[in-house]
Amino acid sequence: DIVLTQSPGTLSLSPGERATLSCRASQTVVNNNLAWYQQKPGQAPRLLIFDASTRATGIPGRFRGSGSGTDFTLTISRLEPEDFAAYYCQQYGDSVLTFGGGTKVEIK
Amino acid sequence: QVQLVQSGAEMKKPGSSVKVSCKASGGTFNENGISWVRQAPGQGLEWMGGIIPVFGLRNTAQKFQDRLIITADDSKGIAFMELSSLRSEDTATYYCARDLGIYDLVTARYSFYYMDVWGKGTTVTVSS
Repeated sequence: DIVLTQSPGTLSLSPGERATLSCRASQTVVNNNLAWYQQKPGQAPRLLIFDASTRATGIPGRFRGSGSGTDFTLTISRLEPEDFAAYYCQQYGDSVLTFGGGTKVEIK
Repeated sequence: QVQLVQSGAEMKKPGSSVKVSCKASGGTFNENGISWVRQAPGQGLEWMGGIIPVFGLRNTAQKFQDRLIITADDSKGIAFMELSSLRSEDTATYYCARDLGIYDLVTARYSFYYMDVWGKGTTVTVSS
């Protein structure tokens, strides 16, 4: 199975700052089939990005996905109060889907 | 917008089984797949497996292959996840989610992709 390693584990930032989250795969993700999700406490995950860089319906432009091969990045250009949450990457280039361990973005 | 409504919380003894349901609010899955994802308390997300109800095709993560059964009744828009031989480590919130995968007509295989609509989750607690 493809192992996804997310870093950092926790990111402490202030509203208005830029957040850069990393997701590294143990092998090449076919067709850059990678998604990003946001999850707030007590809620189900919410799809943000698919195909590495395509924003899902209704997702604000401050969320940007990039990368290819084994290295992927989620950038939040200017953090809004509602963006403080956990973020997970997920690959679907393999028949077995796997998630990264997550990055928590917390208020500094 | 379709909604997925899951069954209620469960308390189970070790060694028993649990069956969680997931019903599409519109009454059908519209040829989409359904994935099951779980999350242990304070932990990350783990894909367990999924099914494409209209074709009855399923895929299961190897970790769960000997004790996970995923079924669905497409005509009723309902899917089920049954996990047996429960242990304390199975204590988690179990989510169903609509999968936007692709069905290959040539190979008759469904590839699970990403998930855009999620149920609210079902908490399963395993304790003696």
